[in-house]
Amino acid sequence: GAVVSQHPSRVICKSGTSVKIECRSLDFQATTMFWYRQFPKQSLMLMATSNEGSKATYEQGVEKDKFLINHASLTLSTLTVTSAHPEDSSFYICSARPQHTREAFFGQGTRLTVV
Amino acid sequence: DQQVKQNSPSLSVQEGRISILNCDYTNSMFDYFLWYKKYPAEGPTFLISISSIKDKNEDGRFTVFLNKSAKHLSLHIVPSQPGDSAVYFCAASASGTYKYIFGTGTRLKVLA
Repeated sequence: GAVVSQHPSRVICKSGTSVKIECRSLDFQATTMFWYRQFPKQSLMLMATSNEGSKATYEQGVEKDKFLINHASLTLSTLTVTSAHPEDSSFYICSARPQHTREAFFGQGTRLTVV
Repeated sequence: DQQVKQNSPSLSVQEGRISILNCDYTNSMFDYFLWYKKYPAEGPTFLISISSIKDKNEDGRFTVFLNKSAKHLSLHIVPSQPGDSAVYFCAASASGTYKYIFGTGTRLKVLA
């Protein structure tokens, strides 16, 4: 149980285009999902907390207009990187927390490369 | 300010021996701690967690110890296996937030 699926696993896009990343909890409902970013050889940095049916809460320094988050249902959250630039190239990871637990489970991650 | 620190960036251990990974934190509001294992280009895999009301939690080969007064936790893996080679992250969460603050990770290499 507690499987989180993230798609796509790898994407290459042109500078100026937008990219959507999906995060799904496959066997549980997640009222809260989280989006992280990891630079090479660094820790996971929380970007935003996504709550079903409400606006996401962004961490300090994260541009909400650039990283659009939609948590439309209890099993799906999406992150859209708008007008992507090479500096947005990174490894993006989502996690989802089952109700009534404090453990979160992570997706496989998405390697975004902006050229 | 790094609230969760893993001061050892890497650790090498012989197969069959004990691996001890350490983690220190500064925020006294943290009350839940977790360890994750991560391979390159993959998401972290949950290993084990501990609440601040406990000082030890065990699951198979993995044991987490929490020393609240020292704001220190450790993950013991015994016996270590080559398949345990990965980067290990500790994470901490404060009550009511469900947000995790991650440490910088320790790369464990188990030598056959």
